[in-house]
Amino acid sequence: DAKTTQPPSMDCAEGRAANLPCNHSTISGNEYVYWYRQIHSQGPQYIIHGLKNNETNEMASLIITEDRKSSTLILPHATLRDTAVYYCIVRVLYNQGGKLIFGQGTELSVKP
Amino acid sequence: EPEVTQTPSHQVTQMGQEVILRCVPISNHLYFYWYRQILGQKVEFLVSFYNNEISEKSEIFDDQFSVERPDGSNFTLKIRSTKLEDSAMYFCASSEAGGHSYEQYFGPGTRLTVT
Repeated sequence: DAKTTQPPSMDCAEGRAANLPCNHSTISGNEYVYWYRQIHSQGPQYIIHGLKNNETNEMASLIITEDRKSSTLILPHATLRDTAVYYCIVRVLYNQGGKLIFGQGTELSVKP
Repeated sequence: EPEVTQTPSHQVTQMGQEVILRCVPISNHLYFYWYRQILGQKVEFLVSFYNNEISEKSEIFDDQFSVERPDGSNFTLKIRSTKLEDSAMYFCASSEAGGHSYEQYFGPGTRLTVT
């Protein structure tokens, strides 16, 4: 699986959009970009994933560049409860299911 | 909303003892996983399980570890002879299938402390 690079930490004001970048310059054509988050040592929580098109769900939006070498997770209106470590994971999917390889992630602090 | 549950939430054991960590995956899920997270470190994959057999395991998952699905609902991780370095949070996860539309749902974790 391709390696990802994320900033170790970011701050965001409550109510503002949080834009979390991820670099995955070695991504290959059959690899998806996944985002998970972990709130204070709880189990990781799935947020969103995509292949090459931008994706949006009730939690966030995922913007993937045209060359697929980087992506941005957008939390449109961050709340204090969005304070967490956010993981960008690049993953090849196998029929038998696939392991998730977590990096260090970005620690997002949402401040009042 | 269905969720993955894990018991116990905290387990304290002495070095050399056997422990069994239990998980109840979401009922219609077919793929099961164990991960661990040593305090202050990243989440690490241990093993994946499908169709009553191990699909993949990491280097961490040595002969001291085993997994089992003893009935239709539980999924267990056994550590045969615990070491101090096994102290960590252990997360169980499950997914409906292996395709790209199926994300993994994680349980709240079991904190294992080996003394």
